[in-house]
Amino acid sequence: AQSVTQLGSHVSVSEGALVLLRCNYSSSVPPYLFWYVQYPNQGLQLLLKYTTGATLVKGINGFEAEFKKSETSFHLTKPSAHMSDAAEYFCAVTGSGSARQLTFGSGTQLTVLP
Amino acid sequence: DADVTQTPRNRITKTGKRIMLECSQTKGHDRMYWYRQDPGLGLRLIYYSFDVKDINKGEISDGYSVSRQAQAKFSLSLESAIPNQTALYFCATSPTGETNTIYFGEGSWLTVV
Repeated sequence: AQSVTQLGSHVSVSEGALVLLRCNYSSSVPPYLFWYVQYPNQGLQLLLKYTTGATLVKGINGFEAEFKKSETSFHLTKPSAHMSDAAEYFCAVTGSGSARQLTFGSGTQLTVLP
Repeated sequence: DADVTQTPRNRITKTGKRIMLECSQTKGHDRMYWYRQDPGLGLRLIYYSFDVKDINKGEISDGYSVSRQAQAKFSLSLESAIPNQTALYFCATSPTGETNTIYFGEGSWLTVV
């Protein structure tokens, strides 16, 4: 079975400060890892994903994440927060088996303070 | 126009009623999904379909059924709605062969009273 743990259901940062959203996973097969963002009253949008290759992955809107196998982590970062980054963020991992279905974390609500 | 369209976007229904949520997509993807989102629980998979003749149960399929009417259409039914099915429901699609990038609709709020 696979699982995702997002540490901190709510994170607040000041505008211009570093954003760090934490994600740890467990998977019985080599994982594919994803971060999605959900803005109010909208569906989820892919921010970035790790499949194979380079462990530092760059996504949209200045976000990046690093796959660390030894720590089973895939934390999301952005050097400088913007007010428009306020949203809910979900980490997800593929499941085992041929279907490779996504399992989502419980989400982290990011608030950006002026 | 959205690539993944869900109707209705908001619905209030009574306990015991049958309700259908519809989804259509213009992305040409073979794979379609229904997820449910509850606060603090993230998204959980209800059903998924890899092509028109393929339907699979997800993590929380009890109390739900689906129909894949065409490649572009995938509907979710609650045969007899109950209050704990009040949630935000998402339809999603993905292409075959691309590594599990899933594209989501804008969601359907369902309230069962």
